[in-house]
Amino acid sequence: GAVVSQHPSRVICKSGTSVKIECRSLDFQATTMFWYRQFPKQSLMLMATSNEGSKATYEQGVEKDKFLINHASLTLSTLTVTSAHPEDSSFYICSARDPTVVNTGELFFGEGSRLTVL
Amino acid sequence: AQSVTQLGSHVSVSEGALVLLRCNYSSSVPPYLFWYVQYPNQGLQLLLKYTSAATLVKGINGFEAEFKKSETSFHLTKPSAHMSDAAEYFCAVSESGGYNKLIFGAGTRLAVHP
Repeated sequence: GAVVSQHPSRVICKSGTSVKIECRSLDFQATTMFWYRQFPKQSLMLMATSNEGSKATYEQGVEKDKFLINHASLTLSTLTVTSAHPEDSSFYICSARDPTVVNTGELFFGEGSRLTVL
Repeated sequence: AQSVTQLGSHVSVSEGALVLLRCNYSSSVPPYLFWYVQYPNQGLQLLLKYTSAATLVKGINGFEAEFKKSETSFHLTKPSAHMSDAAEYFCAVSESGGYNKLIFGAGTRLAVHP
């Protein structure tokens, strides 16, 4: 099956610094990837849709200047949390569709990245 | 707009008992429906999906779900719970055609006790 990998799985940073999280599709090319944020004991909230070669589409209320998304290749999307603050601490999960699979809307998820901002 | 409602944020069952996790959806067009499972500090794994074929869908680990249009429901069941089933379960909906984003329910935490 399609495999999506995220790195790092855990990251701790100081307030004011920037952190980059990578999302890779290992065995397929993903023209579209999605970034979700999950607070403790809560559901997944879609942050943005990442499209290869074009600007990401952000959900309402998500600061695009704070959460920079780059999808420069068909197998890699990155999320950069700029000038991180403690309230940005969360579990970030990426997902992707495998276009070779008959389109059913199914998403394949990465393992998630837990960000802790001190 | 699409939405998903999962009734019961916490469900607790005994090992060997029936598991029933409830999901109701709202969609203006025929939906695609999914159940995902999440173990602590991990991403999501697909359990099963409904994409307008058979209304009774069988998934992995003995789970199944039935699409009932008249009730706008897609409840997840398993005849006999196992300790390893303890996890967070999410129901999600996507508009048919599958090009659209997934909208997730709030999740149900399943606890299985001996």
